[in-house]
Amino acid sequence: DVKVTQSSRYLVKRTGEKVFLECVQDMDHENMFWYRQDPGLGLRLIYFSYDVKMKEKGDIPEGYSVSREKKERFSLILESASTNQTSMYLCASGQANEQYFGPGTRLTVT
Amino acid sequence: ILNVEQSPQSLHVQEGDSTNFTCSFPSSNFYALHWYRWETAKSPEALFVMTLNGDEKKKGRISATLNTKEGYSYLYIKGSQPEDSATYLCASQANTGFQKLVFGTGTRLLVSP
Repeated sequence: DVKVTQSSRYLVKRTGEKVFLECVQDMDHENMFWYRQDPGLGLRLIYFSYDVKMKEKGDIPEGYSVSREKKERFSLILESASTNQTSMYLCASGQANEQYFGPGTRLTVT
Repeated sequence: ILNVEQSPQSLHVQEGDSTNFTCSFPSSNFYALHWYRWETAKSPEALFVMTLNGDEKKKGRISATLNTKEGYSYLYIKGSQPEDSATYLCASQANTGFQKLVFGTGTRLLVSP
């Protein structure tokens, strides 16, 4: 079975802190993705990567950056966390027509 | 950004009822339509990936159909069970060369015993 793991299930950070969300997949997938889920909105794509060191902006990249130094790991970085980044963050990996999701990180910025 | 819409937003049925949800998506540049089930405190789980107009897929009591010409897909659950309670997401994938999905807001299903 494909496994996508995220470093934390719950995280509480203060405004202005630098936040790292880590995602690891074990299926050698080329593509990895970061989404956020907010009430009343669908999953929205923040960034994705189709290869090591390659990244593409999704639909809502503002306030975020990413890093993919190894194929299995994709990190989402909040350079200076703000309260409007309080959300559920989901990582996914995939290839061809399939995407597999991690369990999510619920981030609260106070 | 593609606009993917799902209805209803939420649904409460009794055990044994059959139910269906709708997903509508732009039909231009269509590549694939994905259905996911997302149970509370778990990862979204892929149900179906559909690419061809008229496609129909089935997994146990759950089935889905696809109409790419008019841009809609239906998900059916026959004889709903409490364990079917979840949010059902659909996502459209365009023919852009990247595996980029645009999600609807989901249909939240609650099945009471």
